[in-house]
Amino acid sequence: GDSVTQMEGPVTLSEEAFLTINCTYTATGYPSLFWYVQYPGEGLQLLLKATKADDKGSNKGFEATYRKETTSFHLEKGSVQVSDSAVYFCALSSGNTGKLIFGQGTTLQVKP
Amino acid sequence: SAVISQKPSRDICQRGTSLTIQCQVDSQVTMMFWYRQQPGQSLTLIATANQGSEATYESGFVIDKFPISRPNLTFSTLTVSNMSPEDSSIYLCSVVTKVGTEAFFGQGTRLTVV
Repeated sequence: GDSVTQMEGPVTLSEEAFLTINCTYTATGYPSLFWYVQYPGEGLQLLLKATKADDKGSNKGFEATYRKETTSFHLEKGSVQVSDSAVYFCALSSGNTGKLIFGQGTTLQVKP
Repeated sequence: SAVISQKPSRDICQRGTSLTIQCQVDSQVTMMFWYRQQPGQSLTLIATANQGSEATYESGFVIDKFPISRPNLTFSTLTVSNMSPEDSSIYLCSVVTKVGTEAFFGQGTRLTVV
């Protein structure tokens, strides 16, 4: 079945460091890919998305490119801030069900 | 987009009791789902809430434990029945307005069973 694998955390960075969180997927067909963020004590918010190969999603300085050849959707940010500390989830949606399959989540802690 | 109101936001319950969680959406949506997030874990789909008919449950989840109602296109409830400490989790309502697009989530219900 479909699945999503994220790099394990926690990831600890200093402010202004470069961030990469790896995400790879397995899916039949052509899934849509998403990154969600969960700030402490809050629900899930969509960070960015890509619906077809080579699409680049971007938001708040974060970027991810849908790479069909490597089945990846890695999240990057050039300069992280303390306020980016949160849990990040990679997810896919395939078929016509609307269901999401989530990766295990990666906790990011940014220190001043 | 869709705005989802979920309540209660948190509760502490005695084992053996049941809790019903409500999910209200600000617009009519076709697809509505319930997810569980166990402590420190990712999200797992419990079921798809179908309007006017029985919910569709994922493997490992059963109707007797997690009965779901969906009387119309804007409202659903999830009941966690005969609770045990293992049911302590965050329960999230989610909607998708169009297949292949993003899901919107409620703020979640943080349930602690003692």
